[in-house]
Amino acid sequence: DTGVSQDPRHKITKRGQNVTFRCDPISEHNRLYWYRQTLGQGPEFLTYFQNEAQLEKSRLLSDRFSAERPKGSFSTLEIQRTEQGDSAMYLCASSSRLDRESMGQYFGPGTRLTVT
Amino acid sequence: KNEVEQSPQNLTAQEGEFITINCSYSVGISALHWLQQHPGGGIVSLFMLSSGKKKHGRLIATINIQEKHSSLHITASHPRDSAVYICAVMNRDDKIIFGKGTRLHILP
Repeated sequence: DTGVSQDPRHKITKRGQNVTFRCDPISEHNRLYWYRQTLGQGPEFLTYFQNEAQLEKSRLLSDRFSAERPKGSFSTLEIQRTEQGDSAMYLCASSSRLDRESMGQYFGPGTRLTVT
Repeated sequence: KNEVEQSPQNLTAQEGEFITINCSYSVGISALHWLQQHPGGGIVSLFMLSSGKKKHGRLIATINIQEKHSSLHITASHPRDSAVYICAVMNRDDKIIFGKGTRLHILP
């Protein structure tokens, strides 16, 4: 296991279409986070899971967004009826609650979404 | 006012210069992260600090908990250090709050 992976790396879609992104965390990590980053800004928290439980959702996560982590391993983030304002980099990170001496959260490469 | 503020927003320097990036925060934290983000978007975690100072190669990170301030220093800067450096704090609920980043450009 070489780190957090995300798929796809890039997605171009037309407004109104649905998109789904996948994140595979580091295998022994029980926490998984989704962030959104727009150009020139730092990442913004969207939601996080501890195992399969979704513990917190940001108010940024409108009802068009849904995230799942069905077996406590990989996670999916779905955006329905995409809007141009959804264009951003979607970042996934994972961590282990017990790993206090490490670098903290490990980030995936991100999925860049462009809504035309 | 953002809970995590970084300065400067943009920094251009000549190769070899000593670089300092500052981060101030206004919330109670359990740890502070310094992250590096390259143009392709990938984020690498450089340091996680809860007190004192850490050093890794040419990078040094310090934190003053009483003053709610951290600095990231780069010695003998090199063009390959050009990136966005992001300060992020972990609050008591283990939720991370990010600064907007400092865009560093090192000229050869």
